[in-house]
Amino acid sequence: DAGVTQSPTHLIKTRGQHVTLRCSPISGHKSVSWYQQVLGQGPQFIFQYYEKEERGRGNFPDRFSARQFPNYSSELNVNALLLGDSALYLCASSHSDSAGANVLTFGAGSRLTVL
Amino acid sequence: DQQVKQNSPSLSVQEGRISILNCDYTNSMFDYFLWYKKYPAEGPTFLISISSIKDKNEDGRFTVFLNKSAKHLSLHIVPSQPGDSAVYFCAAGGETSGSRLTFGEGTQLTVNP
Repeated sequence: DAGVTQSPTHLIKTRGQHVTLRCSPISGHKSVSWYQQVLGQGPQFIFQYYEKEERGRGNFPDRFSARQFPNYSSELNVNALLLGDSALYLCASSHSDSAGANVLTFGAGSRLTVL
Repeated sequence: DQQVKQNSPSLSVQEGRISILNCDYTNSMFDYFLWYKKYPAEGPTFLISISSIKDKNEDGRFTVFLNKSAKHLSLHIVPSQPGDSAVYFCAAGGETSGSRLTFGEGTQLTVNP
């Protein structure tokens, strides 16, 4: 079985540009979450989507947005990129909308560099 | 406000010995705690979890201990193997917070042969 797949694996953008990151969850998983990991820090929660509805949002500006499609795949969009947006963006999927009984499975991430 | 803290950025142990990774938290509302392991160029991989109503959970070489009064948990790896060398993250979550996990900064474990 394929795990959580993310694309692209690496990308370089310049300040002010826009980026779209994509995620396909494990088959059968309906919940997708996005995390940002800055170098030297732990992952930080950005969004959770379950059954195409936003279920949670972390402390990130409105430049960050996401959506989930009928096949449960998801996109993370970041507008007006800043240097500080350079990070590893991780997608995670789980069966349900609660991580208590269903452990999050992470993808390998998309490494974004903003110049 | 760092609600989950791992105060040791790195830890080095000899193969076969015990590795003890520590984690402190401030939010008493967390319902469960998890440990993830991360290798370079890979996503975090789940290791073991513990509910806030328990004080110990064991899975093979990995044991997690929870001390609620001290708001402290630890991961014990016995015996340590070179393949255990990775960054270990402590994470915490709540039953009503969906898949929002709060992670610590991570501890780089190096197991020397």
